[in-house]
Amino acid sequence: QVHLVQSGPEVKKPGASVRVSCKASGDTFISYGITWVRQAPGQGLEWMGWISNYYGNTDYAQKFQGRVTVTTDTSTTTVYMELRSLRSDDTAVYYCARGSAHRADWHHDYWGQGTLVTVSS
Amino acid sequence: EIVLTQSPGTLSLSPGERATLSCRASQSVSSSYLAWYQQKPGQAPRLLIYGASNRATGIPDRFSGSGSGTDFTLTISRLEPEDFAVYFCQQYGNSPPITFGQGTRLDIK
Repeated sequence: QVHLVQSGPEVKKPGASVRVSCKASGDTFISYGITWVRQAPGQGLEWMGWISNYYGNTDYAQKFQGRVTVTTDTSTTTVYMELRSLRSDDTAVYYCARGSAHRADWHHDYWGQGTLVTVSS
Repeated sequence: EIVLTQSPGTLSLSPGERATLSCRASQSVSSSYLAWYQQKPGQAPRLLIYGASNRATGIPDRFSGSGSGTDFTLTISRLEPEDFAVYFCQQYGNSPPITFGQGTRLDIK
């Protein structure tokens, strides 16, 4: 059983950056990777990127390349997602989810509770 | 990028009935790497099915997945009140990027 606990809601102005954390517990941290998925209000799910907790390598959706950075801290079993140059259409709930340690494209069996990021002037 | 199209957009059924949800891919999904998730309002998605037909841990056997190539189906054999939710399919065989369908809302009739 894996438990993923995300940081609290954020309100940011356009052009700012946000960092969302995802604290993992309950299984060997380096045995899996973490994916970030977002969901705009009333919309579907959008894959943003992934990090391997074992290798530390990342993969990002082309749409977010250059604007998103995902990092992992094995000492605190926490993964961070930073999104820069925020726009109003970045307003969404951001989820972390457990995936494979070896590849970005995998299914996700455990999810965090979600973090609402609101971008508004 | 593979586009997943789910149908119908909304399905209205009664408890005890059988639900059949469809997910069609714009090109063949490699190794049947297709998953299904259930999402209830205010909650994170929950993995139901992976690899097209494998039930995730703790998922009741009334949920089943089938299909290959470009056509996949999620079947709920007898609907329980807690099954009314939104269902998403996800492909992870021809990625990145991982892509999701737009969702099917399963409503109580």
